[in-house]
Amino acid sequence: NAGVTQTPKFQVLKTGQSMTLQCAQDMNHEYMSWYRQDPGMGLRLIHYSVGAGITDQGEVPNGYNVSRSTTEDFPLRLLSAAPSQTSVYFCASRPGTQKSEAFFGQGTRLTVV
Amino acid sequence: DAKTTQPPSMDCAEGRAANLPCNHSTISGNEYVYWYRQIHSQGPQYIIHGLKNNETNEMASLIITEDRKSSTLILPHATLRDTAVYYCIVRLPLGETSGSRLTFGEGTQLTVNP
Repeated sequence: NAGVTQTPKFQVLKTGQSMTLQCAQDMNHEYMSWYRQDPGMGLRLIHYSVGAGITDQGEVPNGYNVSRSTTEDFPLRLLSAAPSQTSVYFCASRPGTQKSEAFFGQGTRLTVV
Repeated sequence: DAKTTQPPSMDCAEGRAANLPCNHSTISGNEYVYWYRQIHSQGPQYIIHGLKNNETNEMASLIITEDRKSSTLILPHATLRDTAVYYCIVRLPLGETSGSRLTFGEGTQLTVNP
């Protein structure tokens, strides 16, 4: 049981490049979400999904797209990377129950130059 | 979701209890209080949560005031490995759109000193 797996762990992009951050969970969790973490700002929600085929925007969705074609996977796409997207990205999942805890991946450290 | 207020930093001696406060004066009756922590360079880790009653598990205790406007996370015997940023979060229950989110503030940096 791997939990929440994020790949890659580290990535450097040039401005304007596109890439996809991968997130997979093997716990059959309904809810999945993406956060970014910047110094002094805590974790901010980018996008989230309450189940396969359903996604919604969080606090800071601009510049990011997501899809949820399966329960297990929730990729985050940067279509045209900008230096402002330099951050640490965390994916999380939790069961669809009222009092459930969230499980986080180990993060992807992205640098856009 | 209700906003929370936490002190930016706290220190604690190893082996002593660490008491981390959180104010959530605008909490609504059906919002839960959650605590997570984040050790440097790792993903956040769930600690404990509660609604009205005090809760205890193998990691910590959660004390929620009777009016639910504040809570305290207690680490009974802090160790050096408990040095982390601790986040207090309030969340709506399932069924509310925002209930799927966890809104993180800046948290409290707890430093456990030898």
